[in-house]
Amino acid sequence: AQSVTQLDSHVSVSEGTPVLLRCNYSSSYSPSLFWYVQHPNKGLQLLLKYTSAATLVKGINGFEAEFKKSETSFHLTKPSAHMSDAAEYFCVAYSGAGSYQLTFGKGTKLSVIP
Amino acid sequence: DGGITQSPKYLFRKEGQNVTLSCEQNLNHDAMYWYRQDPGQGLRLIYYSQIVNDFQKGDIAEGYSVSREKKESFPLTVTSAQKNPTAFYLCASSPNPPNLGGQETQYFGPGTRLLVL
Repeated sequence: AQSVTQLDSHVSVSEGTPVLLRCNYSSSYSPSLFWYVQHPNKGLQLLLKYTSAATLVKGINGFEAEFKKSETSFHLTKPSAHMSDAAEYFCVAYSGAGSYQLTFGKGTKLSVIP
Repeated sequence: DGGITQSPKYLFRKEGQNVTLSCEQNLNHDAMYWYRQDPGQGLRLIYYSQIVNDFQKGDIAEGYSVSREKKESFPLTVTSAQKNPTAFYLCASSPNPPNLGGQETQYFGPGTRLLVL
């Protein structure tokens, strides 16, 4: 069985300060891991994905995430928050073990204070 | 421009009524998916289709039906049997069915918000 836990339901940062959104996963297999962003009343947009090629993954809009197998974590970071980063972020896992299914975390809402 | 379109953006359903949500993609993707999103929860899979004329139930298929007559289209019908249909519905597609070892990245449409009158 596979599960994804986003450790914070809501994170609030000031504009220009670093962003850290935390995600832990559990899986019997080496998963592929994704971060998606969702702005209000919009679909999900892929930020980045990890598929075992490199543990530090760079995505769009200055975001990056590091896969740490020993900690079963895939935290999302950005050095400096921008107002346009305010949105909901989903950590997602795919086991690749013959299953069609993605496993979604419950989401972290990021607020950016001017 | 390639992408996934969903219509309508907002949909209102009356008691006992069936409604159909449209999803179209021009990405030439084989696999398509329907998810339901409720506040404070992640996405839950309703149905998915790996190929034309084939579809499978996801985790919460009760009260929903789908068809896949064309590669580009995967409409979702919310039937009167779905007692709590108010939610945000997201359609997605991916280049290959993931259980064939293809690309697993799913691309999402803009969503349809269904409200009950």
